[in-house]
Amino acid sequence: KNEVEQSPQNLTAQEGEFITINCSYSVGISALHWLQQHPGGGIVSLFMLSSGKKKHGRLIATINIQEKHSSLHITASHPRDSAVYICAPISIKTGNQFYFGTGTSLTVIP
Amino acid sequence: NAGVTQTPKFRILKIGQSMTLQCAQDMNHNYMYWYRQDPGMGLKLIYYSVGAGITDKGEVPNGYNVSRSTTEDFPLRLELAAPSQTSVYFCASSYQGTGQETQYFGPGTRLLVL
Repeated sequence: KNEVEQSPQNLTAQEGEFITINCSYSVGISALHWLQQHPGGGIVSLFMLSSGKKKHGRLIATINIQEKHSSLHITASHPRDSAVYICAPISIKTGNQFYFGTGTSLTVIP
Repeated sequence: NAGVTQTPKFRILKIGQSMTLQCAQDMNHNYMYWYRQDPGMGLKLIYYSVGAGITDKGEVPNGYNVSRSTTEDFPLRLELAAPSQTSVYFCASSYQGTGQETQYFGPGTRLLVL
């Protein structure tokens, strides 16, 4: 069983729709990162969460440590949001090392 | 700031050949990482370094070697390339390596071993 499960694996949305991507993990964590991988392959960090909720523009990330679950929401989705979104918890055991989910591939259609 | 740079962008190797993937950062970060990303799989940590002269194995180190002679550079060496090493390789860096800070990724090197 993978330590990190993301759902859905693939998602197609119409421009303007509200998007939710889910991440469940089985390890104890100190923090969780959400990453965005562009179609060209580049990876950027979106959020780091250790509790609660963070908002950046149209992106909102939440985490429930007790339930071992995090969500990434995109409001008013736009075609430029099309990318792979990767959940990456930091295990308490390994300290600075990430576990990575396999990613959710999002396509937003105009 | 160039951030994290990687060379080459793409390379084809024959089985048994060797090569070095270059990674450099200009942010004075202490921690540097090498990951590989296989199709449909999550990123896997190959090696990491907590500072010049100090390296350690990650989850999938077999078939690779690293060195860290300077803060800026963290090359990854493949000694005897195998088809299983066909992948996209990402280098990343962070300042403290606490896990509670941003990791900055390079653009990746796509490697094909035939």
